[in-house]
Amino acid sequence: AQSVTQLGSHVSVSEGALVLLRCNYSSSVPPYLFWYVQYPNQGLQLLLKYTTGATLVKGINGFEAEFKKSETSFHLTKPSAHMSDAAEYFCAVRTMYSGGGADGLTFGKGTHLIIQP
Amino acid sequence: NAGVTQTPKFQVLKTGQSMTLQCAQDMNHNSMYWYRQDPGMGLRLIYYSASEGTTDKGEVPNGYNVSRLNKREFSLRLESAAPSQTSVYFCASATDRGRGYTFGSGTRLTVV
Repeated sequence: AQSVTQLGSHVSVSEGALVLLRCNYSSSVPPYLFWYVQYPNQGLQLLLKYTTGATLVKGINGFEAEFKKSETSFHLTKPSAHMSDAAEYFCAVRTMYSGGGADGLTFGKGTHLIIQP
Repeated sequence: NAGVTQTPKFQVLKTGQSMTLQCAQDMNHNSMYWYRQDPGMGLRLIYYSASEGTTDKGEVPNGYNVSRLNKREFSLRLESAAPSQTSVYFCASATDRGRGYTFGSGTRLTVV
């Protein structure tokens, strides 16, 4: 079974500081990993994803994440926080379902990123 | 605009009422999903459909039914709404092999 743990339900950083949001996963198959962002009262927007290939993945808005198999981690970083980065961030892992060979996403509980001026 | 369209965006129900949430995608995706989002819980899978004509239960299916009407449409029905079903509901669709998922903008449901 697949699962995702996001460390820290709330993370607060100063504007201009490094953003680090932690994600650890459990997967019985080679993982596909995703980070989504949700702004208040909006839907989910894909930030970046890892499927195969290069383990350092660059996404939108200056975010990147590194897949580390040995640590079962996929932490999200951004060198310099901006006020507009304040949002909820979700890590997700591709999950294989037993019925019909389908797959979907299992999400972490989310991390609320707060940016201090 | 290509994507996943959900209706309605907002709904208030009284306990015991029924309603259907509609979802349609125009990306020719085979797989479609219904999730619910609750504070501090992330998104949890209610039902999914791997292809037209098939549906399966997810993590939290109790109190819900679904219909995969055709390849484009996947509806979620609450037969007798309960306050515990107050949530934000997201529909999603995906390409084969799990490389790309697209989410709708959500339906905010309140059951009083």
